[in-house]
Amino acid sequence: AQSVTQLDSQVPVFEEAPVELRCNYSSSVSVYLFWYVQYPNQGLQLLLKYLSGSTLVESINGFEAEFNKSQTSFHLRKPSVHISDTAEYFCAVGASGTYKYIFGTGTRLKVLA
Amino acid sequence: DAGVIQSPRHEVTEMGQEVTLRCKPISGHNSLFWYRQTMMRGLELLIYFNNNVPIDDSGMPEDRFSAKMPNASFSTLKIQPSEPRDSAVYFCASSRQGVDYGYTFGSGTRLTVV
Repeated sequence: AQSVTQLDSQVPVFEEAPVELRCNYSSSVSVYLFWYVQYPNQGLQLLLKYLSGSTLVESINGFEAEFNKSQTSFHLRKPSVHISDTAEYFCAVGASGTYKYIFGTGTRLKVLA
Repeated sequence: DAGVIQSPRHEVTEMGQEVTLRCKPISGHNSLFWYRQTMMRGLELLIYFNNNVPIDDSGMPEDRFSAKMPNASFSTLKIQPSEPRDSAVYFCASSRQGVDYGYTFGSGTRLTVV
């Protein structure tokens, strides 16, 4: 079975500052890892995913995440945040060859002016 | 592509009434999921369909909940009778088969049972 932990429920950060949202997982089998973003009153949107290959994956809006197998982590980073990045971010893990995600409890990112 | 379409966006109903939530997945996606989101429990998978067949309904809370997928373009989640503790946001998501494709979520139905 898989599990995922997002240690921070809320992260306030000033505009243009860097941010890291933490995600740790556990699994006895190979996994795929995902970050989803949820803006207010909307559904979740896929931000980026790690399936295999390069451990650093990037999104189109400047976020990146690095798969670290030894530390079982998949932290999300952005070097300079914007007000529009204010949202809730969910880390998810899925065992390869299956259909099911396990979602973390989410981290609410609040970007302050 | 219009994405995953859910209706209604908001539903307010009285305890004991029947509630039906609707979902139209993305054309060509053969996997469909119903999730429930609450502050207390986060995102919970209720049921998973593959090629219109229910594969995993272990997350359905109790017999008051039922889901159907009569064809590839439509699914319903029904609660009968509804209770205040069913108040939540219900999301439908669709995907091509396999977790590696990622899910596309609808905008959700916010259900309030009073």
